[in-house]
Amino acid sequence: EPEVTQTPSHQVTQMGQEVILRCVPISNHLYFYWYRQILGQKVEFLVSFYNNEISEKSEIFDDQFSVERPDGSNFTLKIRSTKLEDSAMYFCASSKQGGNTEAFFGQGTRLTVV
Amino acid sequence: EDQVTQSPEALRLQEGESSSLNCSYTVSGLRGLFWYRQDPGKGPEFLFTLYSAGEEKEKERLKATLTKKESFLHITAPKPEDSATYLCAVQAFTGANSKLTFGKGITLSVRP
Repeated sequence: EPEVTQTPSHQVTQMGQEVILRCVPISNHLYFYWYRQILGQKVEFLVSFYNNEISEKSEIFDDQFSVERPDGSNFTLKIRSTKLEDSAMYFCASSKQGGNTEAFFGQGTRLTVV
Repeated sequence: EDQVTQSPEALRLQEGESSSLNCSYTVSGLRGLFWYRQDPGKGPEFLFTLYSAGEEKEKERLKATLTKKESFLHITAPKPEDSATYLCAVQAFTGANSKLTFGKGITLSVRP
C-alpha cells in the first residue's frame, strides 16, 4: 500500500541552526502539506502546496519557514533559524485533490531544538 | 475561525463495552469532516470522511455519523487494539479548500 515517507524520524539541532525535513509523498498525489504537533497539543496546519507553489499557509508559517519540491518525488520543509518553540512532531501529508479527499500522513519527524 | 472540540478528553473502556466519542464543530461552510486514528509517536491514520448531515460510514467496530453541528464515532465491542487517540478534523469551503483543522483528540484505552 502506498505511503508517505518522512526522513529523518528524529532530528536534534541547536537553536539558530537550519534544518531541512524531507518527505516523499504518495506518487500520484498532487497536493502536499506540512502539519506540526507540539507535545500534548493539537495537530496544526502549516502550509499546503500545489502545482509548485504555496496555496495556503497559516500564521505559524512565517519567513523562517519555506517549502520546496526540488524534484519529482521529494517535498521539503526548511526552518532557517530554529527556536526552542519549534520543537514538535512535523507531519507531511499528501492528497489526490485539494477538497473532498482525504489526506494521508507520514509517520512524522520529531524535531528537538536544544 | 473554524473550531473543533472533542469530548471526553480521555475514555477508558472494558473490552466489549461500547461507547461513543463526540466531535463538535464550528465552520463557515463544511466541506468534509474527517476521523483519524493516531497511535503514540505515529502519524494520523485515515479512518472516515463524512460530507453531509445524516451520512454514516462503518469500518469493522467503528461507525461515524454526522449532524449539522457534531459527529460521533461509535465503537462497538471494542478490543484492546482499538486503544489509540482518535482525531476529528474539518475542512471548510474557504481558502484553498484543502487544510484540515483538528481537535485535540480523544485518548481511548480499552482494558482486556
